[in-house]
Amino acid sequence: GNSVTQMEGPVTLSEEAFLTINCTYTATGYPSLFWYVQYPGEGLQLLLKATKADDKGSNKGFEATYRKETTSFHLEKGSVQVSDSAVYFCALSGGGGYNKLIFGAGTRLAVHP
Amino acid sequence: NAGVMQNPRHLVRRRGQEARLRCSPMKGHSHVYWYRQLPEEGLKFMVYLQKENIIDESGMPKERFSAEFPKEGPSILRIQQVVRGDSAAYFCASSPPLQGFYTQYFGPGTRLTVL
Repeated sequence: GNSVTQMEGPVTLSEEAFLTINCTYTATGYPSLFWYVQYPGEGLQLLLKATKADDKGSNKGFEATYRKETTSFHLEKGSVQVSDSAVYFCALSGGGGYNKLIFGAGTRLAVHP
Repeated sequence: NAGVMQNPRHLVRRRGQEARLRCSPMKGHSHVYWYRQLPEEGLKFMVYLQKENIIDESGMPKERFSAEFPKEGPSILRIQQVVRGDSAAYFCASSPPLQGFYTQYFGPGTRLTVL
């Protein structure tokens, strides 16, 4: 079945460091791929998405490229801030015609000044 | 345009009681999804509903859990005879009434604690 595997956390970085959170997936068909962010005590917010191979999603300095050949959707940011501290979830949907989102386990990011 | 609304935000129940969680989708959205997040885990799909129809309930436990989305009013996730293992955050998401997959927008969640 469809699944998402994320890099385990927590990830601890200093402010202005480069961030990469790895995400790989298994899916039938042509899924859409998403990164959601969850701040403490809150719901999930859509961070970025890509709907087909080679698409790059970007938002707030974060980027991820849909790589069909490596079945990956790694999240990157060139310079993190303390306010980026949160849990990041990679997710897929649409593979095989299903509307439900399948999430990775989440990666906790802590950014220190 | 208000976002997805969920209430209550926090719910405490004793073992054996019933829990009712409500979700009002974004204006114009008629597709609702419920997900459960156990402590320190990712979200797991439970059920997908359209107005008056359950489309996919493959993630729902076979007993004690039910969901509805009536023609009028919010979607309800109902858990009967709660047990400690039901303690989790329950998130609702909604999307527009269109064919294919469209971005799901999440509510703030209901955090259920079973004593």
